[in-house]
Amino acid sequence: AQRVTQPEKLLSVFKGAPVELKCNYSYSGSPELFWYVQYSRQRLQLLLRHISRESIKGFTADLNKGETSFHLKKPFAQEEDSAMYYCALSVNQGGSEKLVFGKGTKLTVNP
Amino acid sequence: GAVVSQHPSWVICKSGTSVKIECRSLDFQATTMFWYRQFPKQSLMLMATSNEGSKATYEQGVEKDKFLINHASLTLSTLTVTSAHPEDSSFYICSARDFLFTDTQYFGPGTRLTVL
Repeated sequence: AQRVTQPEKLLSVFKGAPVELKCNYSYSGSPELFWYVQYSRQRLQLLLRHISRESIKGFTADLNKGETSFHLKKPFAQEEDSAMYYCALSVNQGGSEKLVFGKGTKLTVNP
Repeated sequence: GAVVSQHPSWVICKSGTSVKIECRSLDFQATTMFWYRQFPKQSLMLMATSNEGSKATYEQGVEKDKFLINHASLTLSTLTVTSAHPEDSSFYICSARDFLFTDTQYFGPGTRLTVL
């Protein structure tokens, strides 16, 4: 069965420190993975997707099929990065695609 | 950018009544919309996939007769919680997929439902 695991419920770092939010997935098909972010009192928004191989707000994520991981990284965290981060996997089921979300990691960047 | 709106943003109703929540894609057409439910401090759980002009596809364990979904146009999907009970109290979030240009799901701000 498809599953997304984010092992850390909470993550706290100091401003300027590197940050890594972990995400592991389980899926028999070809994985398509995303990171979504939810800032306080705002809606969920797409941060980045693995097929784009882009860096958004200094964040990057590399798909590692061998380790079935898609960890989100940023070399120097900023206070404005404090938010809830969700890793999501797009799965094809019955001809339609849907997103399966991890439980999320709350990142707090302290001054 | 693509925007998805939800109405109402919050609603309080009495047990046994029905509540309708609207989800609109404001500047793009969405043949597919999704309805999620989010419990406090938990992740989003997909309830159903709403397809324009056809029946919704419900996830296992979701009562289709209780959560009625209608996707009558390319920009509007509605979720009706029928005969609501306190256990239906939750945060309901919709998303719409822009197939044509970005192939990205855009999320609405959510609707807080409280059933007394």
